Amino acid sequence: GQNIDQPTEMTATEGAIVQINCTYQTSGFNGLFWYQQHAGEAPTFLSYNVLDGLEEKGRFSSFLSRSKGYSYLLLKELQMKDSASYLCALFYGSSNTGKLIFGQGTTLQVKP
Amino acid sequence: EAQVTQNPRYLITVTGKKLTVTCSQNMNHEYMSWYRQDPGLGLRQIYYSMNVEVTDKGDVPEGYKVSRKEKRNFPLILESPSPNQTSLYFCASSLSLRGTDTQYFGPGTRLTVL
Repeated sequence: GQNIDQPTEMTATEGAIVQINCTYQTSGFNGLFWYQQHAGEAPTFLSYNVLDGLEEKGRFSSFLSRSKGYSYLLLKELQMKDSASYLCALFYGSSNTGKLIFGQGTTLQVKP
Repeated sequence: EAQVTQNPRYLITVTGKKLTVTCSQNMNHEYMSWYRQDPGLGLRQIYYSMNVEVTDKGDVPEGYKVSRKEKRNFPLILESPSPNQTSLYFCASSLSLRGTDTQYFGPGTRLTVL
């Protein structure tokens, strides 16, 4: 299998920076997604990394290293509304395939 | 408004009683997919469809069927539901298979099989 690992839970303080890691034991994927999911709601897209390196989008950044088999999501200037689950997912796509394999997700709690 | 809709949102049923969960998108997306989400297991892909009449299995297809007769609709069929199919189900769609195309998720269907 793809063995995608994420920490189950994390806690951080409002205004701080937090890094959520995602490690995997696989290759040959097209790219890696990060999604945010608030409790009881549907996941929403945060970022997609194809190449190694950092992709920055406002307060959120995502990093991918294919050679080291890991990615991370960096959240800056944490706000209370950032309390949610964060899901990483590997995308395998071609002309006739479209598989998305998710990690178990990391539940982030932001405290005042 | 661009959206993915699912119906019903909540369903309690009994073992063996066939049911269908509908999914519809109004964005003319080619790619649609079904997932189930269970505590400790995360989101797992059931089936996906690249276009009309083109479907393929995801990671956990056993006990489920799908069809894609029209571009906008992608129903999930449970011919003989069992208690282990109690879960939260999400439908999603995106413009194409390119990972850069954002995948939009429906609001979810919470299914309980007694």
